[in-house]
Amino acid sequence: GAGVSQSPSNKVTEKGKDVELRCDPISGHTALYWYRQSLGQGLEFLIYFQGNSAPDKSGLPSDRFSAERTGGSVSTLTIQRTQQEDSAVYLCASSLAWTEGFGGQYFGPGTRLTVT
Amino acid sequence: KNEVEQSPQNLTAQEGEFITINCSYSVGISALHWLQQHPGGGIVSLFMLSSGKKKHGRLIATINIQEKHSSLHITASHPRDSAVYICAVPNTDKLIFGTGTRLQVFP
Repeated sequence: GAGVSQSPSNKVTEKGKDVELRCDPISGHTALYWYRQSLGQGLEFLIYFQGNSAPDKSGLPSDRFSAERTGGSVSTLTIQRTQQEDSAVYLCASSLAWTEGFGGQYFGPGTRLTVT
Repeated sequence: KNEVEQSPQNLTAQEGEFITINCSYSVGISALHWLQQHPGGGIVSLFMLSSGKKKHGRLIATINIQEKHSSLHITASHPRDSAVYICAVPNTDKLIFGTGTRLQVFP
């Protein structure tokens, strides 16, 4: 079946603009995760959803970042007033269900965001 | 000090060599993950383990909970094993990642 898909695959935006990144999880997966990987850096956890609920939003880098999930499926990561330091690859993953160990994740291909 | 540390940062090997990548962590965990990130950027989950050893093909992952240490071994390495290998541990409501080990296997 289809894997995790993300759109757009690439996004170039001007500093100060808002961007929306979309993640379509594997059908039937109730847990969804967002990560960020800045150029040459390691992976950074942002947020996860159990169904439509995000138990902990403290991993989001600033209040310019928000994420939502509706209908237990598609999730959107929104970055307002983008800054150059927001340039990174934003990765999404999903799993059948959330577990304490964060297991069973399938990763999407990522969205490469460049803020000019 | 990072909560999850990997070594080495970079590793080169000749095809056929036995590879070991290490991961040490300082937080209490329920499980540890090993991920593989291909040169094109795609990430694949290799293992999740909470004790002992797991094997999948030429890959073996071990964990010592008391010593807070895990190793990923690759037997009979091949150029297609060239990738970044990342360990990650869950801590409260987030996953904490190591900085990754970049492996290059030459023919």
